[in-house]
Amino acid sequence: AQSVTQLGSHVSVSEGALVLLRCNYSSSVPPYLFWYVQYPNQGLQLLLKYTTGATLVKGINGFEAEFKKSETSFHLTKPSAHMSDAAEYFCAVSEVKTSYDKVIFGPGTSLSVIP
Amino acid sequence: EAQVTQNPRYLITVTGKKLTVTCSQNMNHEYMSWYRQDPGLGLRQIYYSMNVEVTDKGDVPEGYKVSRKEKRNFPLILESPSPNQTSLYFCASRSNRRNTEAFFGQGTRLTVV
Repeated sequence: AQSVTQLGSHVSVSEGALVLLRCNYSSSVPPYLFWYVQYPNQGLQLLLKYTTGATLVKGINGFEAEFKKSETSFHLTKPSAHMSDAAEYFCAVSEVKTSYDKVIFGPGTSLSVIP
Repeated sequence: EAQVTQNPRYLITVTGKKLTVTCSQNMNHEYMSWYRQDPGLGLRQIYYSMNVEVTDKGDVPEGYKVSRKEKRNFPLILESPSPNQTSLYFCASRSNRRNTEAFFGQGTRLTVV
C-alpha cells in the first residue's frame, strides 16, 4: 500500500535561510507527487507537482522539489525563507492505477519563519 | 474564478442533531472528495465521488453520508453527529485526469458538543 511520510512535524528556519521539507513515499508503481501549502484559516493550494519528465520541478513562490526515484523522495526546498512562507505543507502521492488513482496525503509539516 | 465553495465555514452543533455541509465547484470536475483534518493525522479521506451518482467510501466513512445528484454539488451529511466528529473538513475537486491537482474549499470547522 502506498504511504507518505514527512520527517519533522514542525520546522523552524530564520528569515533568509534555506527551507528544506522532507517527503518520502512508498509506491509500487511510478507515482505522481504533489506539494500543497495551507495558510492559516485557508484550504490547501498546489505548490508544485511531478508527473513525468524533468525530475526537478519548480513551483510558485520560489519553491522547488526534486523527484529521486532511487531514494523514493520528493523533498521541497526554497533557497531563502520569507515570513510569508509560514504555513502547513503537505506532500501527497497519487498512484497510477487502471481505473481510479487515490491521493494519499502525508501528515504535514508546519513551517515557522523566525525574523 | 475557479473555486470550490463550502458552507458553512464554522458550525457548532449538539450531539445527535443532523447537519449538512454543502460543497459546490464551478470547474466541471468529475471527481469530488471530502477530507477531515485532525492535528497530527493530516488529511483523511471520508468519501469520494468519481461522477454523478457514483460515490464510494474513503478511509474514515463511519458516521458520514454523501450524495452526488449533480456534477457540481457534493454535500456531506452527518445524520447523528458525535463529539469525535469535531474536526476541520475540506471538500476537494479535480479532473479525472490523473496528473491534475485537487482544488480545495476553504474548510468547515465543526464542533460537536
